[in-house]
Amino acid sequence: KQEVTQIPAALSVPEGENLVLNCSFTDSAIYNLQWFRQDPGKGLTSLLLIQSSQREQTSGRLNASLDKSSGRSTLYIAASQPGDSATYLCAVGARGGADGLTFGKGTHLIIQP
Amino acid sequence: GAVVSQHPSRVICKSGTSVKIECRSLDFQATTMFWYRQFPKQSLMLMATSNEGSKATYEQGVEKDKFLINHASLTLSTLTVTSAHPEDSSFYICSANLGTQYFGPGTRLLVL
Repeated sequence: KQEVTQIPAALSVPEGENLVLNCSFTDSAIYNLQWFRQDPGKGLTSLLLIQSSQREQTSGRLNASLDKSSGRSTLYIAASQPGDSATYLCAVGARGGADGLTFGKGTHLIIQP
Repeated sequence: GAVVSQHPSRVICKSGTSVKIECRSLDFQATTMFWYRQFPKQSLMLMATSNEGSKATYEQGVEKDKFLINHASLTLSTLTVTSAHPEDSSFYICSANLGTQYFGPGTRLLVL
């Protein structure tokens, strides 16, 4: 059974810093991997989607990489801002999207002004 | 495009009542939808896979008789929490499959 682990569980840094969030998964036979943002009491905002054949995806200040063989992904946030404060969730999908996603427990990020 | 809605966004009910939550794909058809549950300070856990025109597939530990799922059309799946109890209070969120999954905004259920 797939298991997804995110490290660290929580992170607090001053604004302006570049930071890296880590995600690992136990079964490398994935279809894709997604990074989401969740604000308190809210739903999910999809940030980046990486297909299993891809190595990375970029959107603005965000860059996500995928090393499928080692079961790892990282989310890089450049020049962090207080508005980036949220919980970041990593999720992996299998079987062409026919299966539900397996989520990690998330990294709770606080960017100090 | 690829918008998923959920209704209601928030519901408070008394213990023992049943609550129905709707999940709609607004601008696409989805033969498969998924239902997740998120307890406070926990991650999302897949509850069941909803398949249009057939029975839902439930994850281990999820009671199918308590969480009734109906996927009657290609744009609508419903989750009914039957005889709800306080321990069912949670954030329920659905997604629809269009190659990748698109999530609804979630429904917060509070059972008193």
